[in-house]
Amino acid sequence: AQKVTQAQTEISVVEKEDVTLDCVYETRDTTYYLFWYKQPPSGELVFLIRRNSFDEQNEISGRYSWNFQKSTSSFNFTITASQVVDSAVYFCALRGTNSGYALNFGKGTSLLVTP
Amino acid sequence: NAGVMQNPRHLVRRRGQEARLRCSPMKGHSHVYWYRQLPEEGLKFMVYLQKENIIDESGMPKERFSAEFPKEGPSILRIQQVVRGDSAAYFCASSPTDTYNEQFFGPGTRLTVL
Repeated sequence: AQKVTQAQTEISVVEKEDVTLDCVYETRDTTYYLFWYKQPPSGELVFLIRRNSFDEQNEISGRYSWNFQKSTSSFNFTITASQVVDSAVYFCALRGTNSGYALNFGKGTSLLVTP
Repeated sequence: NAGVMQNPRHLVRRRGQEARLRCSPMKGHSHVYWYRQLPEEGLKFMVYLQKENIIDESGMPKERFSAEFPKEGPSILRIQQVVRGDSAAYFCASSPTDTYNEQFFGPGTRLTVL
């Protein structure tokens, strides 16, 4: 079974604060892929990152960074110096190589950045 | 390069009517996935199709729902005799292969059943 837990339902921060969105996953697959997507108020889903289970290097892309730790089954997402445009729902997703074709999504974390 | 296209963006149906949702994948993508997002929930997988084939429909309700991806034209998700519980956002995604690439999502169709 595949499961993704995003324990934070809603987070509110003031602009320029750093914020970390947590993602914990469960899978029996030895090889799997993790993803983050952003869903802004307009509703579309925007792909942010894909990580495979063999690559535990942290990744940084501008103000975004991801911390993948297999030991704790976590794939956390940090936004540095948050901006109002970062306000969105963020979804973490998992796909195991022996568990079908679906992306298994968490319930999402709603991030509100206020000026 | 156009992204995944879905239409209509909003669809209103009365109970008992049929809903048809269309999805055109990104150019060069032959793999299509449908997901449903209920209010306050994450996305749930429904079905995975390649051209003219349903590969995995493990997430589709057994009754009233069907999907196709013909040789020519868009993929269609069809819901017959809609009920209020079908109100949701339906997202289509596409990928170039069935390896573990990211799936690129369309803007979604928001179905409201009155």
